[in-house]
Amino acid sequence: DQQVKQNSPSLSVQEGRISILNCDYTNSMFDYFLWYKKYPAEGPTFLISISSIKDKNEDGRFTVFLNKSAKHLSLHIVPSQPGDSAVYFCAASGDSGTYKYIFGTGTRLKVLA
Amino acid sequence: GAVVSQHPSRVICKSGTSVKIECRSLDFQATTMFWYRQFPKQSLMLMATSNEGSKATYEQGVEKDKFLINHASLTLSTLTVTSAHPEDSSFYICSARAPTNNQPQHFGDGTRLSIL
Repeated sequence: DQQVKQNSPSLSVQEGRISILNCDYTNSMFDYFLWYKKYPAEGPTFLISISSIKDKNEDGRFTVFLNKSAKHLSLHIVPSQPGDSAVYFCAASGDSGTYKYIFGTGTRLKVLA
Repeated sequence: GAVVSQHPSRVICKSGTSVKIECRSLDFQATTMFWYRQFPKQSLMLMATSNEGSKATYEQGVEKDKFLINHASLTLSTLTVTSAHPEDSSFYICSARAPTNNQPQHFGDGTRLSIL
């Protein structure tokens, strides 16, 4: 049972345009959500997070939106840059107090120059 | 710079060998570290939670006698894959989090384990 899903395995966007990556979850007990960026043969790098008490968090070019009623979050990158090309994972936490993360399957973003 | 260091980055060894992977927290004391496994084109799957000074907590389906975890200090956790077989070949990644609320996990760069 995949509690965190990223239904788009890949996404291509032109440089300068907005990239929107989506993530859905099923467990209503999750209260903390994160996005990580991963290059091949490297560990994930933390990008941005959001607590369930908020519906938006912004950090530079990255904005995360949370819709709790829909159990959906999204990551917006604007403007997209070629260096943003990587695999993006969303993660959810909070249903057990153990700080364990459940990761989605990832979306490969390709930003075209 | 990196806050979590993982070593080695790649291991190739014969079936039956035991392999130890180290995970070090460089910038903070980590009472909790995590070990993940990633198969090609799949998600990161949590294997176990490593607790400093106590036994690790393993996820369902992960053999604790196969994957030995030791967290003897606040900056070091080790994962030993005992008597490794080709099906254990995978990408193993550790993470650590600072012991304050809502701090994200920081990941090492992973270890590519190939068992021949």
